[in-house]
Amino acid sequence: GDSVTQMEGPVTLSEEAFLTINCTYTATGYPSLFWYVQYPGEGLQLLLKATKADDKGSNKGFEATYRKETTSFHLEKGSVQVSDSAVYFCALILNSGYSTLTFGKGTMLLVSP
Amino acid sequence: GAGVSQSPRYKVAKRGQDVALRCDPISGHVSLFWYQQALGQGPEFLTYFQNEAQLDKSGLPSDRFFAERPEGSVSTLKIQRTQQEDSAVYLCASSLVLHSNQPQHFGDGTRLSIL
Repeated sequence: GDSVTQMEGPVTLSEEAFLTINCTYTATGYPSLFWYVQYPGEGLQLLLKATKADDKGSNKGFEATYRKETTSFHLEKGSVQVSDSAVYFCALILNSGYSTLTFGKGTMLLVSP
Repeated sequence: GAGVSQSPRYKVAKRGQDVALRCDPISGHVSLFWYQQALGQGPEFLTYFQNEAQLDKSGLPSDRFFAERPEGSVSTLKIQRTQQEDSAVYLCASSLVLHSNQPQHFGDGTRLSIL
């Protein structure tokens, strides 16, 4: 079956540090890939997405590149802020046929001033 | 409304009681999804509606779980004879249609605690 594996957290950084959260996937077909963010007490918000190999999704300074050869979609940000503290979820959905979102377990990011 | 609305935000019930959780999707969204999110885990798919039709209920953990969307808009997730393992956050999401290019928009969830 389809699955997503994320690095375990929490990831603890100081403000302005560089962020990488690793995500790898296995899929029975050809997927689209997503990063969702969940702030405390809130639902999930779509952060960025990529629908085909070598696509780069970007939003709010975050980036992730769809790497088919390594089945990865690592999330990066050059300079994190305290307000980026949240739980980040990597997810996939297949591009053909019927499919629903498959999520990783999430990675908590804590940014200190 | 502007986003997906879920109610109640918090629900505490005694083991054995029935509960009903409501989801009001974004107006015009055909697809509606329910997910269960256990503490420290990612959301797991429960069921999917296209308009009023429940096309996939493969993720429902037992026959105590029942979902409906009778008029193709508001949906209700009902859990009968609740057990402690049902404690989780229940998330509802909607999208314009079911397609990989159409993002799912999530509500803030209902946190269910079974005592």
